[in-house]
Amino acid sequence: DAGVIQSPRHEVTEMGQEVTLRCKPISGHNSLFWYRQTMMRGLELLIYFNNNVPIDDSGMPEDRFSAKMPNASFSTLKIQPSEPRDSAVYFCASSPSRGYNEQFFGPGTRLTVL
Amino acid sequence: GQQLNQSPQSMFIQEGEDVSMNCTSSSIFNTWLWYKQDPGEGPVLLIALYKAGELTSNGRLTAQFGITRKDSFLNISASIPSDVGIYFCAGQSYGQNFVFGPGTRLSVLP
Repeated sequence: DAGVIQSPRHEVTEMGQEVTLRCKPISGHNSLFWYRQTMMRGLELLIYFNNNVPIDDSGMPEDRFSAKMPNASFSTLKIQPSEPRDSAVYFCASSPSRGYNEQFFGPGTRLTVL
Repeated sequence: GQQLNQSPQSMFIQEGEDVSMNCTSSSIFNTWLWYKQDPGEGPVLLIALYKAGELTSNGRLTAQFGITRKDSFLNISASIPSDVGIYFCAGQSYGQNFVFGPGTRLSVLP
């Protein structure tokens, strides 16, 4: 079975550039989550979707961050413009139901902003 | 907001030893999850707990949902080198998102 798929696995970009991270959740899962992981702050929930609708985006750091889920099998997290402090590992996770269930994580995208 | 503490932060053990770690919260949770993260990978779900007092095993791993619903425990028996990694707990209250602990970093010495 295919798990959560994320691309790219690694991204190096320069400050000010736009970055787009992609996620394909597990087929049949209704909830999708974007997390950011850093040494200092651990795993932080940025936003989560249920049935393609954003439910809670209170974790999105600022307006430079945006996320979309145009259909049940695809989501993007965009940072524009990127800054060095955005450097982190970004994980996508999916869950069978409205967040009240186990979450399955993708392999992550390691973002480095120079 | 809700916060989780994990103890110990890190541990070094000899191969073959048993491992115990725990996760505590000031809030009551209805679900506890335990994950393991290998370097360069995403967290992988190990065990899910849904009821206070529940004891669940997955191979050499055993996790318990604390009676107070404010803590959970993970034990690994007869550790092996591939047990190395970071172990995260996550707790959830009804209607809330999961909260993740800071992790326990496990190192296994041959």
